[in-house]
Amino acid sequence: GESVGLHLPTLSVQEGDNSIINCAYSNSASDYFIWYKQESGKGPQFIIDIRSNMDKRQGQRVTVLLNKTVKHLSLQIAATQPGDSAVYFCAARILNSGGYQKVTFGTGTKLQVIP
Amino acid sequence: GAGVSQSPSNKVTEKGKDVELRCDPISGHTALYWYRQRLGQGLEFLIYFQGNSAPDKSGLPSDRFSAERTGESVSTLTIQRTQQEDSAVYLCASSLGTLRYRTSGAPTNTGELFFGEGSRLTVL
Repeated sequence: GESVGLHLPTLSVQEGDNSIINCAYSNSASDYFIWYKQESGKGPQFIIDIRSNMDKRQGQRVTVLLNKTVKHLSLQIAATQPGDSAVYFCAARILNSGGYQKVTFGTGTKLQVIP
Repeated sequence: GAGVSQSPSNKVTEKGKDVELRCDPISGHTALYWYRQRLGQGLEFLIYFQGNSAPDKSGLPSDRFSAERTGESVSTLTIQRTQQEDSAVYLCASSLGTLRYRTSGAPTNTGELFFGEGSRLTVL
């Protein structure tokens, strides 16, 4: 079966520094990846996504890198701010037969921003 | 509605009781997911609906758990004879569902999941 996991459960970063959150996935059939941010007491919210035919995608202050060779992706947050403090999840999608999609989430990394 | 709505937001029940959790997805979203999130942990997949059918129930932890969806809209997750280990936040998400492919074969939608705020279940 597929699994998605994270290398670091907790990451503490000084305000203004860059943050890098890592994620590994196991199923090479995954064709689409999403990073979500979850603040305390709330549901996960979309940050950025990337298709498997890309290796890099940039958003506002965030960049996602995908390395299919080693089945690894990362989320980079530039100039980390206190409002970035949250738990970050990566998710991988697999298309089952019939085109149905299954989205599997990693265990999450808690990002703590030190003022 | 504008987003995914879940109810109740909080539920406290006694061990052995049955509970029902409700999810109202975004209008027009054919795919609906249920996840369980224990305190300080990640999202555990439970079940996936495409329309009113559930092609993937592989995550349901036991036969005490069941879910249904009607009218390609509202879904209900039912937990019978609740146990203390069922205590968790139950998250529902919806998406546009099955991809539509261009003639080139490239998918046309992102598959992004939109989450509700969750139903926090506490079993005493």
